Amino acid sequence: GESVGLHLPTLSVQEGDNSIINCAYSNSASDYFIWYKQESGKGPQFIIDIRSNMDKRQGQRVTVLLNKTVKHLSLQIAATQPGDSAVYFCAENPGNQFYFGTGTSLTVIP
Amino acid sequence: DAGVTQSPTHLIKTRGQHVTLRCSPISGHKSVSWYQQVLGQGPQFIFQYYEKEERGRGNFPDRFSARQFPNYSSELNVNALLLGDSALYLCASSLAFAGRTGNTIYFGEGSWLTVV
Repeated sequence: GESVGLHLPTLSVQEGDNSIINCAYSNSASDYFIWYKQESGKGPQFIIDIRSNMDKRQGQRVTVLLNKTVKHLSLQIAATQPGDSAVYFCAENPGNQFYFGTGTSLTVIP
Repeated sequence: DAGVTQSPTHLIKTRGQHVTLRCSPISGHKSVSWYQQVLGQGPQFIFQYYEKEERGRGNFPDRFSARQFPNYSSELNVNALLLGDSALYLCASSLAFAGRTGNTIYFGEGSWLTVV
């Protein structure tokens, strides 16, 4: 089966610092990736996506980097705020469905 | 604009009972996918329906079934409930078949099912 894993299950950062959340994916055929944010008691919220023909994509305060050579994805959050505290999931799509990792819990320390 | 809406938000069922969960996709979206999320884990794919046809099924027993209606809304049915079916059931919609590159899926807030 598919395996999408995260290097760190929990991450704590000081407010104002930058956060980096990592994700390893297993299927080299995956050509589309999405990062989601899930707050407690809510459904996953789309943050940013990237296609396999790109290495980097930037949004508002967020950047996603894709390294296809080592099958690694990262989400960078600039100037982390308390409202960024949540669980972050990466999802990969090899062409039929999305596979999700177990998530990284981000805690922002005021 | 309304996002993905799901009902009910919370429900409690007894082992052996049946449950029906409902989902309305974002207006204009023709694909609905269902996911199960157990506490502490990422969502797991159950079904995808596109244009009212099943287009994918995850590794779930036949007790799980779904359908999509002409207005693109969808129902997930689970028969003979087990304690292990307790989870957050998420519905996601996309414009087109979610298997195609670039077709983002957007989630609803989910239905919390507790089986006792």
